[in-house]
Amino acid sequence: AQSVAQPEDQVNVAEGNPLTVKCTYSVSGNPYLFWYVQYPNRGLQFLLKYITGDNLVKGSYGFEAEFNKSQTSFHLKKPSALVSDSALYFCAVRDFGYGGSQGNLIFGKGTKLSVKP
Amino acid sequence: DAGITQSPRHKVTETGTPVTLRCHQTENHRYMYWYRQDPGHGLRLIHYSYGVKDTDKGEVSDGYSVSRSKTEDFLLTLESATSSQTSVYFCAISELGGDSYEQYFGPGTRLTVT
Repeated sequence: AQSVAQPEDQVNVAEGNPLTVKCTYSVSGNPYLFWYVQYPNRGLQFLLKYITGDNLVKGSYGFEAEFNKSQTSFHLKKPSALVSDSALYFCAVRDFGYGGSQGNLIFGKGTKLSVKP
Repeated sequence: DAGITQSPRHKVTETGTPVTLRCHQTENHRYMYWYRQDPGHGLRLIHYSYGVKDTDKGEVSDGYSVSRSKTEDFLLTLESATSSQTSVYFCAISELGGDSYEQYFGPGTRLTVT
């Protein structure tokens, strides 16, 4: 069965420093991977995805993620954190079902990112 | 929030009462999903739909039912609400094709069962 893990419940960084939010996955085939962000009292917003191709994927708000097949990881990164990046971040993997379930995603439990001035 | 609305946005109800949450989309996407979000559990899939009148169970479907009579509307019903169903409920939509598998989420409904 497909699964995704976010090993850190919370990540704290200082504004201007680089940030990394970790995600590891377990799938039976080629993974389809996603990152979402959730601001307080809002729905999830799609940030970026890896389906195939270049291992470094660029997304919204200056975020990028690096797909590493040998380490089964898909870590979210940003070179310089902003206070406004403080939010809850979710990693997700496609469930690889068939028929009606082929679009289902499995989400990690989320990582709270706190960026301090 | 990508042409997705949820109603109501907040609801307080008593144990044992039926509750229906509505998700409405203007994107004409084929796939629709209901999730619940709880601290420590992330998002868990309740039910999903892959077309009008085509629905199936997700990971945490017990106590919930759904209906989809039109492309744009996906209803989630709690037949007899329990305190364990206090949660934030999110609807999502997607349109699969090519390399497009991402889902887009509504603003959520905060449900409190007393």
